[in-house]
Amino acid sequence: GAGVSQSPRYKVTKRGQDVALRCDPISGHVSLYWYRQALGQGPEFLTYFNYEAQQDKSGLPNDRFSAERPEGSISTLTIQRTEQRDSAMYRCASSPRQGISGANVLTFGAGSRLTVL
Amino acid sequence: AQKVTQAQTEISVVEKEDVTLDCVYETRDTTYYLFWYKQPPSGELVFLIRRNSFDEQNEISGRYSWNFQKSTSSFNFTITASQVVDSAVYFCALNILTGGGNKLTFGTGTQLKVEL
Repeated sequence: GAGVSQSPRYKVTKRGQDVALRCDPISGHVSLYWYRQALGQGPEFLTYFNYEAQQDKSGLPNDRFSAERPEGSISTLTIQRTEQRDSAMYRCASSPRQGISGANVLTFGAGSRLTVL
Repeated sequence: AQKVTQAQTEISVVEKEDVTLDCVYETRDTTYYLFWYKQPPSGELVFLIRRNSFDEQNEISGRYSWNFQKSTSSFNFTITASQVVDSAVYFCALNILTGGGNKLTFGTGTQLKVEL
């Protein structure tokens, strides 16, 4: 597509429920990134993929968070047993080339705002 | 560890004023990239500029200019003759070249309000 598409844009869930956030990157972009942005803060890195391979998941806060990109295109970020502290904007970004550190510009999606009650 | 500090939480100016947004970064790496992104009220993150650590030339793009000073680890952003449409949160970010990938370290952002 023309830009990075994320869905849902807004998600309200009850504590303890699982949620899945979807990211559709720019067509042909090899690298895909997930960031989390709390209110009043800058985005924080969660994980990234080159094609279907998860290259780095050091930013995932705990084992309730997981991500996949099975066919090297669309990615899903899953949060199990959600907690109120998971409430944030979850942003996906993509770039056209794989992992040439610092050389690429990330194009971000509009984000998925998650609220856990 | 990398760190980006944007000490100005919020700035308010009147239209047509010039405004400078400060960004100070910390890294032990000698090769890195610096970025500025804009987050308008609609919420998306829009790329503005990328600068590598070997290029200290200042850059101007229309009403926007950037001043990179390695000696003070600063990468400041100036908007000349500000307009209401410039109202947004502006983020400075750092990426080092080691380790692979684009793991940007963002500052906490500066909220710019431009009023008539």
